[in-house]
Amino acid sequence: NAGVMQNPRHLVRRRGQEARLRCSPMKGHSHVYWYRQLPEEGLKFMVYLQKENIIDESGMPKERFSAEFPKEGPSILRIQQVVRGDSAAYFCASSPLGRRETQYFGPGTRLLVL
Amino acid sequence: RKEVEQDPGPFNVPEGATVAFNCTYSNSASQSFFWYRQDCRKEPKLLMSVYSSGNEDGRFTAQLNRASQYISLLIRDSKLSDSATYLCVVDFGNEKLTFGTGTRLTIIP
Repeated sequence: NAGVMQNPRHLVRRRGQEARLRCSPMKGHSHVYWYRQLPEEGLKFMVYLQKENIIDESGMPKERFSAEFPKEGPSILRIQQVVRGDSAAYFCASSPLGRRETQYFGPGTRLLVL
Repeated sequence: RKEVEQDPGPFNVPEGATVAFNCTYSNSASQSFFWYRQDCRKEPKLLMSVYSSGNEDGRFTAQLNRASQYISLLIRDSKLSDSATYLCVVDFGNEKLTFGTGTRLTIIP
C-alpha cells in the first residue's frame, strides 16, 4: 500500500522559471493538503483541495502560486516566476474522506531557487 | 502571538532519561491535537493524537489541558532513536493543521 508520493524530490530552478510539484495521495484518499517549510521554521498550511475543488487556499501567496487536483492524476502545486524566497521544502499530505484529522505526509519536494 | 508555541530547544539528554516537552495554543475552540515527529530532512510523521483524558503509547505519554490551552509530551527511558524534532500540531476545526516550530531533541549515548 503505497504512501503519499511526491515528485520530484529535489528541484532546482533559476529565478523567473516555473516550478511544478506533484503529489499523488494515498489510495482511497480524496483530500490533499499542501504545506511549506522554510529553513529552520515550522510547516505552514498553503491549500486544501478535494478532487476538482479548492476548499481552502487561505495560506497561498496571492500571486504566482496556484494549485489543482484534477479528476484524474496527481495534485499539482505550481509556482510561476520563482524567486529565491520560494526555496523551501513543500510537503503534501492526504487524508481519507470523513477522517479529516489524520493526515499522512509525503516525503516532500525540496525546491532550490538559484 | 503565535497560534502554536513550543520551546525550540535544543534538548540534549542522556540515554535512558525522561524528557518532557510543552506546547501552548492560542485558540480555545481548537478541536484536535497531535504530536508529530520529524527527522532531519524528512516528512513529519504522526507520533500520537492527544486526548483530553491523556493517553499513553509505550514510552510516550501525551496530556491536554484545555483550560490552560496546554499540551505536553513525556518520553520515558529515552533511546538514541528518539533524537528528532517534535512538532506540536493543532487542528483549529478548519480542516488544516497548524504546526509549532518544533522542539529539537538529541539523545546522548
